[in-house]
Amino acid sequence: DAGVIQSPRHEVTEMGQEVTLRCKPISGHDYLFWYRQTMMRGLELLIYFNNNVPIDDSGMPEDRFSAKMPNASFSTLKIQPSEPRDSAVYFCASSFQGLMNTEAFFGQGTRLTVV
Amino acid sequence: EDKVVQSPLSLVVHEGDTVTLNCSYEVTNFRSLLWYKQEKKAPTFLFMLTSSGIEKKSGRLSSILDKKELFSILNITATQTGDSAVYLCAVALYNTDKLIFGTGTRLQVFP
Repeated sequence: DAGVIQSPRHEVTEMGQEVTLRCKPISGHDYLFWYRQTMMRGLELLIYFNNNVPIDDSGMPEDRFSAKMPNASFSTLKIQPSEPRDSAVYFCASSFQGLMNTEAFFGQGTRLTVV
Repeated sequence: EDKVVQSPLSLVVHEGDTVTLNCSYEVTNFRSLLWYKQEKKAPTFLFMLTSSGIEKKSGRLSSILDKKELFSILNITATQTGDSAVYLCAVALYNTDKLIFGTGTRLQVFP
């Protein structure tokens, strides 16, 4: 398996634009997590899905952020409109049976810069 | 509020030194503690600890958990330049599948 695949790897956009980040989890994994990493706050969980259903979105900063998982092999994180303070590295991770006895596997991340 | 605190924030050592990284936590419904290594990009898994006092070992890396004092340590012996990375500690809770991460310890190993 190629692991968790994220795209794009880098995104630079202007304030106010819509940004869509994409993630393909590891095949067979039933949990998918979106994290944001900044120097100030470290890794923060934004939202996670189980069997394509959002379970906890309490980490989503505000209504400008939304996430979907239309099927078991694809998820998106959308920011509309984007702001400079959204600049961060966004990671997607997947796991099998949650975190009961296995770790989460991370993608390579998308580095987002909003200017 | 659940929190995970790592120390030190940053560490600079020479090859061959031994380092100890610390992770303390204050959470409700603790299930397990995980260590990750993050080099350029994605965090990669090192250890998962669920029981107190049982050391997990992988090569030069080892880790142990103290559930009474609410902390874990990660030891790296005979450090190499390839050990340079950010080491992340995370705690998993019961009744949820969230991982709560600390801000990490940045380790730099110089030749």
